[in-house]
Amino acid sequence: SSELTQDPAVSVALGQTVRITCQGDSLRSYYASWYQQKPGQAPVLVIYGKNNRPSGIPDRFSGSSSGNTASLTITGAQAEDEADYYCNSRDSSGNSWVFGGGTKLTVL
Amino acid sequence: QVQLQESGPGLVKPSETLSLTCTVSGGSISSYYWSWIRQPPGKGLEWIGYIYYSGSTNYNPSLKSRVTISVDTSKNQFSLKLSSVTAADTAVYYCARDIRPTRAYWYFDLWGRGTLVTVSS
Repeated sequence: SSELTQDPAVSVALGQTVRITCQGDSLRSYYASWYQQKPGQAPVLVIYGKNNRPSGIPDRFSGSSSGNTASLTITGAQAEDEADYYCNSRDSSGNSWVFGGGTKLTVL
Repeated sequence: QVQLQESGPGLVKPSETLSLTCTVSGGSISSYYWSWIRQPPGKGLEWIGYIYYSGSTNYNPSLKSRVTISVDTSKNQFSLKLSSVTAADTAVYYCARDIRPTRAYWYFDLWGRGTLVTVSS
């Protein structure tokens, strides 16, 4: 199996840009997907594939990848973006899933 | 639109078997993969396992010896059984639809609301 590593916490000033990263060997082979989770709610998909947003996700959310690192960028963070963010991907074997430990985003 | 709903006991005794069902409404269970994911209180997400509508499965190696996932296409449901539970299995359990458009990426596009299962005597 493989692991995905995320910073536990990140903060951003309202209206500024923030990047949340996810590192792991499996990301050299597979794209990450990103999920937003607010307290007491189920995760919501915000980015998948190279840089795809599901319907209803604001375009201030974007994704990128380089080497073993995937990034979720929020350009012009809003108060409602304060949440936990999780990355995941196929694991190195390609047969299973792996999640990052999550990043708590605080919007100041 | 397609919705997922988890159901099952909210309290399970240690050493017993946790059983949950996910009902898919507004669409067919066919032609998709379906996963179970859990989240202990205050902690991160852990993938438990998946099932294809045809019945093929794959499980998290750390839970494999205790997990069984099954599907009932006639009821548009899939189920999770986790045996020999301990307090460490206390978590919110989610079911999710597992999308695999290419080899390069998979993702979970729909999630149930989750159900809290507490393991306690």
